[in-house]
Formats: sequence, C-alpha cells, structure tokens
Amino acid sequence: QQQVKQSPQSLIVQKGGISIINCAYENTAFDYFPWYQQFPGKGPALLIAIRPDVSEKKEGRFTISFNKSAKQFSLHIMDSQPGDSATYFCAASKAGAQKLVFGQGTRLTINP
Amino acid sequence: EPEVTQTPSHQVTQMGQEVILRCVPISNHLYFYWYRQILGQKVEFLVSFYNNEISEKSEIFDDQFSVERPDGSNFTLKIRSTKLEDSAMYFCASSGQGVQPQHFGDGTRLSIL
Repeated sequence: QQQVKQSPQSLIVQKGGISIINCAYENTAFDYFPWYQQFPGKGPALLIAIRPDVSEKKEGRFTISFNKSAKQFSLHIMDSQPGDSATYFCAASKAGAQKLVFGQGTRLTINP
Repeated sequence: EPEVTQTPSHQVTQMGQEVILRCVPISNHLYFYWYRQILGQKVEFLVSFYNNEISEKSEIFDDQFSVERPDGSNFTLKIRSTKLEDSAMYFCASSGQGVQPQHFGDGTRLSIL
C-alpha cells in the first residue's frame, strides 16, 4: 500500500515531441505528489508538484495531470528538448508525514 | 539559490568500519532527511529529523544507523560496522516550515569493500 508504481522504465522521444510518464498509487492517504528530475551524478531536483484538490498543474513545458478516482498521476513534457534527457521520479507522501515514497524512475532520452 | 551540500562526494570504506556522511542543509530549514539509492533502484527513505530528534524512520534504519545535528549547520549520518549491502548513494534533504517540498543534495556515493 505504500508503493508508487511508475512506468515506463525507459522512454525515447524525438525532439519537439511530448514525453509522458505515468504513476499509480494505492494509499488514499497520500496527498502530495511531486516529480523529481535527476541528472547523472546529481541529486533529485524538484520539478513540479500537485495536491489532490486540483486535476492539473502546469509550469512552463511541464504539466502534472492527476486522476484522484483512478489513483494515477502523470507528467507531460511538451516540446521535449535534448536537455530534458534525465531520470524522472514520481513520489508521494501522506498528510503531515515527512517520508517521500518514490517510484522506480523513468530514464528519458530525447533524440535530437 | 540556496542548496544542500554533502561531503564527501565518494567514500570508500572497508567492510566492518564505521563511516560518517556529512550534510549542510539549507540554512533556514527545519526538517532534515536521509535517503539512499542502491544502484539502478529507486530512492528509499531512511530517516527524518526535526527539533533535534528523529521524527520518522524506515525499517531500513536499524541500530546500525544513527543521525546527529552536532551544531547549527551540519547534519550527519553514521553507519556503524558497514556491510557490503550498504553500498549506495546516500542523499541528504531538507525542507522548511511546511515539511514539503524537500530539497536534495547531490549525494555521497558509499562503496563498501
């Protein structure tokens, strides 16, 4: 119940295309859903986050879509660029809790 | 932009030895965390620390591990009697008043020989 399942494991997208990464969770007590971006040799960097009171949040080319009834959320990267090539992690935490539960990660490659 | 800094970037230690990983969280943050990432696997929570005590810990964080905030700026993770399976990237994170978001350092790669 504490798991967050992320797919796909790896993704290759052409420059200018849309990258979509999906996550699913079981624990309905989760109420904070961040996405982290990690480049090789670096720590995870917060990209964008959402709470379940909204169905979508957009920041620049990055959008989170959230489906509370399906217990799923996804990251969309519009106009994907080679600089977006990185590993992306979804995560979740419960209200008032500090622990982040991470998905397995998606290695995204944007071909020029 | 303020950042979490971790030292050393790479630590090589013999099995059975003690190791201390160091972190300097963002200066006005109140919550401090350690996570680890075994090569090719997901990031796993170890422990959170608030108001000079452990506030939450995972089943991974057993008696082999301890954390300390020895002064106003550093936050350390000590691993006693290291095992081969402790080899991983260890990330420190910190957050401000509202617990989230958490900001991560670039990690310490721990290699146990």
